[in-house]
Amino acid sequence: GENVEQHPSTLSVQEGDSAVIKCTYSDSASNYFPWYKQELGKGPQLIIDIRSNVGEKKDQRIAVTLNKTAKHFSLHITETQPEDSAVYFCAASIRDTGRRALTFGSGTRLQVQP
Amino acid sequence: DARVTQTPRHKVTEMGQEVTMRCQPILGHNTVFWYRQTMMQGLELLAYFRNRAPLDDSGMPKDRFSAEMPDATLATLKIQPSEPRDSAVYFCASGGLAKNEQFFGPGTRLTVL
Repeated sequence: GENVEQHPSTLSVQEGDSAVIKCTYSDSASNYFPWYKQELGKGPQLIIDIRSNVGEKKDQRIAVTLNKTAKHFSLHITETQPEDSAVYFCAASIRDTGRRALTFGSGTRLQVQP
Repeated sequence: DARVTQTPRHKVTEMGQEVTMRCQPILGHNTVFWYRQTMMQGLELLAYFRNRAPLDDSGMPKDRFSAEMPDATLATLKIQPSEPRDSAVYFCASGGLAKNEQFFGPGTRLTVL
């Protein structure tokens, strides 16, 4: 089955700096890669996703990049703010009619220092 | 706005008791997932359904866990009998037919004493 590894496990940055979280996946058939943000006491919230037919996607201060050859993808947050502090999860799945269960990375706890 | 709802939000029970968790998926979504989150194991898939039919429950301990969708607006996860190692946060997520996006509920925090 799919295996997703995520690094780092914790990340502390100063407000205004950039943060980068990296994930690798094992199943070359995976073609859908979402990122979730989880705040304390809440469920994971989808913040951005990318499909394997594109290499990069951006939404305001958040961007994701995908390298299918190397089987890794990254989340980039620019101009970080204290409200970005949360646990971030990457995930991977196969987008077809039969299976869409997500395999999650282990999470990155991001702390943005004011 | 459309969101996944879960009840109860918190449950404390004693070992051996039956626990039932409920989920209402987003209206129109035809896929429902159950995940469990612990510090040690992270987010794990337990089971998921499409059009109310179970597609995969390989992540679920069969001897004590059961998952059902009595109708399109209700999914249930039952544990009988519960054990302390079942203590975790259980999330339900739902997804639509055309996209892979999954939307998570707020979770049920289960504590088994």
